[in-house]
Amino acid sequence: EAEVAQSPRYKITEKSQAVAFWCDPISGHATLYWYRQILGQGPELLVQFQDESVVDDSQLPKDRFSAERLKGVDSTLKIQPAELGDSAMYLCASSFSGDTQYFGPGTRLTVL
Amino acid sequence: GQNIDQPTEMTATEGAIVQINCTYQTSGFNGLFWYQQHAGEAPTFLSYNVLDGLEEKGRFSSFLSRSKGYSYLLLKELQMKDSASYLCAVIPHRNSGYALNFGKGTSLLVTP
Repeated sequence: EAEVAQSPRYKITEKSQAVAFWCDPISGHATLYWYRQILGQGPELLVQFQDESVVDDSQLPKDRFSAERLKGVDSTLKIQPAELGDSAMYLCASSFSGDTQYFGPGTRLTVL
Repeated sequence: GQNIDQPTEMTATEGAIVQINCTYQTSGFNGLFWYQQHAGEAPTFLSYNVLDGLEEKGRFSSFLSRSKGYSYLLLKELQMKDSASYLCAVIPHRNSGYALNFGKGTSLLVTP
């Protein structure tokens, strides 16, 4: 069964450092989402791609966060510099038709 | 803004039936999802409702009333492995620019 891949699974960094997360969606899924989930909360959308284009990045803190999906397949989310409040689970999801989204295993970020 | 409410915690006994409610107030409606999330893992898709009524899938059923802005997830014959967080999520608009809006999740504990 096809799955969304993410790496790394866990990342510990110090504040002010740069971090990057990678996501490979299910083959053929044109829509890719990055969500952030703080412990005890539901996921919140950071950015949505349709192929290589950003569709919605209204909730992305653009002063420190960036995301790209250059060839319309895999995607990278970067934080520079990381802050203590960025500690969270970063989830990538993909969908074919824009309805059901399938999530990857996530990257658990801890900022010290 | 979007407002999605669900109980924070619930406890039920193995073998019993439990109903997890979700109410929503969103700017538009184009579908409601339920996801299951075990601690430290990614959300996994359970059900999708876009029309009023009950959708049954094995031990899990989901109900939607669009006029009332209300849904519930029904879990029958509870098993210990059903202990998890259950996330209610709504797509406000069926446009490429809108992603899932999640509630905070309901943490279900199944006891022997």
